[in-house]
Amino acid sequence: DVKVTQSSRYLVKRTGEKVFLECVQDMDHENMFWYRQDPGLGLRLIYFSYDVKMKEKGDIPEGYSVSREKKERFSLILESASTNQTSMYLCASSFTLAASSGNEQFFGPGTRLTVL
Amino acid sequence: SQQGEEDPQALSIQEGENATMNCSYKTSINNLQWYRQNSGRGLVHLILIRSNEREKHSGRLRVTLDTSKKSSSLLITASRAADTASYFCATADNYGQNFVFGPGTRLSVLP
Repeated sequence: DVKVTQSSRYLVKRTGEKVFLECVQDMDHENMFWYRQDPGLGLRLIYFSYDVKMKEKGDIPEGYSVSREKKERFSLILESASTNQTSMYLCASSFTLAASSGNEQFFGPGTRLTVL
Repeated sequence: SQQGEEDPQALSIQEGENATMNCSYKTSINNLQWYRQNSGRGLVHLILIRSNEREKHSGRLRVTLDTSKKSSSLLITASRAADTASYFCATADNYGQNFVFGPGTRLSVLP
């Protein structure tokens, strides 16, 4: 079974702090994703990565950066946390981006981040 | 941009009843997927239906796809309390890079 783990289930940070959210997958997936989930808005894609050191902006990249130095690890960085970044953050991975091959995503348990 | 829209936003049923959720989308897709999310957890993939398929079954789940109406439905038969969760549809275009989730339907199955 694919396992996607996230470094923290709950995190509380202060405005202006630099925040690192870590995600690790154990199935040698090429692609990894960071989403944020807010009530009524569903999941919104922040960034994704299709290979080591490669990244693509999603729908809401502002205020975030990412790092993928190793295939199994994808980090989300909040350079200077703000209260409007309080949210649930979900990491996911997939074997392929190609829809024709069945590009289902496997999710981690999520990190609920509160920025005070 | 938001592609999938689930309907209803919330649904309460009794154990043993069937639950039907709908998803509408706007642009051409390669496939449509349904996911379940238990409270405060990550999403779990349930089923994928391709644009050239009309119906698919997996256990107590039945998914239909009508590409002419740009809509899909997820039917859960003989529901159980453990089916209580939020259900999301996600659509993928032919390039796979436009993978978009809807806001979800919150299902409550009462014992």
